[in-house]
Amino acid sequence: QQQVKQSPQSLIVQKGGISIINCAYENTAFDYFPWYQQFPGKGPALLIAIRPDVSEKKEGRFTISFNKSAKQFSLHIMDSQPGDSATYFCAGPFSGGYNKLIFGAGTRLAVHP
Amino acid sequence: KAGVTQTPRYLIKTRGQQVTLSCSPISGHRSVSWYQQTPGQGLQFLFEYFSETQRNKGNFPGRFSGRQFSNSRSEMNVSTLELGDSALYLCASSLGSVTYNEQFFGPGTRLTVL
Repeated sequence: QQQVKQSPQSLIVQKGGISIINCAYENTAFDYFPWYQQFPGKGPALLIAIRPDVSEKKEGRFTISFNKSAKQFSLHIMDSQPGDSATYFCAGPFSGGYNKLIFGAGTRLAVHP
Repeated sequence: KAGVTQTPRYLIKTRGQQVTLSCSPISGHRSVSWYQQTPGQGLQFLFEYFSETQRNKGNFPGRFSGRQFSNSRSEMNVSTLELGDSALYLCASSLGSVTYNEQFFGPGTRLTVL
């Protein structure tokens, strides 16, 4: 069964620290790896995404690192801020189903001031 | 540009009833996907509609169905509600072309089954 395994389940970081969330996938046909951010009472919103032809992508304080051989990708949030406190989901599309995302279980991030 | 809208935002039903949820995608988007979000199972894909046709389907029983209209608006229906159907139902829209497009999620409909 196609899965995306996400860890940790929850994370507490001090303001200014680095938050790191990891995901591992099984389906080597996945060709797009988005990260979504969800605040309470809101739907998930795309934060950053990467394709497997690059090993790293950076957008502001957010960086995705991708390790194709290990079938892992991770999200790094530099200089974490209290406003980053949210639930983060990694995802991958089912093979052949471009708009059919399979999500990780989510990581609840709390950034303490 | 207006975002994805979902109605109603909250809904309370009893077991055995049926429910219809509505989703209006972003203007110009032709693909609408539905997801169920629960604390235990997380975010799970229900189905995707593109140009009024179901293009992808998740592993949910036949009680869950959907449709898409010519204006890309979509509805999903759940018949014979069970307690376990209590969840946040999210709709996401995208352009829907053959390569992957960003999906934009609505705020969801919170369904409670008593």
